[in-house]
Amino acid sequence: KNQVEQSPQSLIILEGKNCTLQCNYTVSPFSNLRWYKQDTGRGPVSLTIMTFSENTKSNGRYTATLDADTKQSSLHITASQLSDSASYICVVRTTDSWGKFQFGAGTQVVVTP
Amino acid sequence: DAGVIQSPRHEVTEMGQEVTLRCKPISGHDYLFWYRQTMMRGLELLIYFNNNVPIDDSGMPEDRFSAKMPNASFSTLKIQPSEPRDSAVYFCASSLTQGYGYTFGSGTRLTVV
Repeated sequence: KNQVEQSPQSLIILEGKNCTLQCNYTVSPFSNLRWYKQDTGRGPVSLTIMTFSENTKSNGRYTATLDADTKQSSLHITASQLSDSASYICVVRTTDSWGKFQFGAGTQVVVTP
Repeated sequence: DAGVIQSPRHEVTEMGQEVTLRCKPISGHDYLFWYRQTMMRGLELLIYFNNNVPIDDSGMPEDRFSAKMPNASFSTLKIQPSEPRDSAVYFCASSLTQGYGYTFGSGTRLTVV
């Protein structure tokens, strides 16, 4: 069973609108949570990274939130642009082994004109 | 910096053939990771190196897969013999010791027919 669950699986939004992606995890012990953007045919690119003590972090029009108590994170995209069309992947790292990253399946976002 | 460089970008090979994927990490990064991405399973960590030494290869699917890092600027992932189920996009990523500068390459799309 995947320890990182993302929802929705896919999303279509109109250009200029806002949207929110969800990430719930059961990974423990928790070290940090990252959101990546992956354009079609490209490697993932880091958007944000948050540790246990951080609740919100922004990167331009992208704002990530983290509730470590409920083990939930969200990624909010403000005033979406066509270039936001991509897969958004939530990744949680544990503290017990450096390489142990748990990947979500991603949310495919399509922004239409 | 040119980022993490992978080659080839695309590889099509016949079942049973040997396939070698190549990666040049970002200069100064001392961690290197190999990932595989498929629609069914998402991103999976195969193996990672620290200072050219393999640390965790528990994600390598079977003995047909092998990875080497002969020096700090080069790594290979070899599949011998290849099978159709190995078809996927293989990503290489590198990182600084503290794990925050985590950068992916553009990937190698492997098709085994």
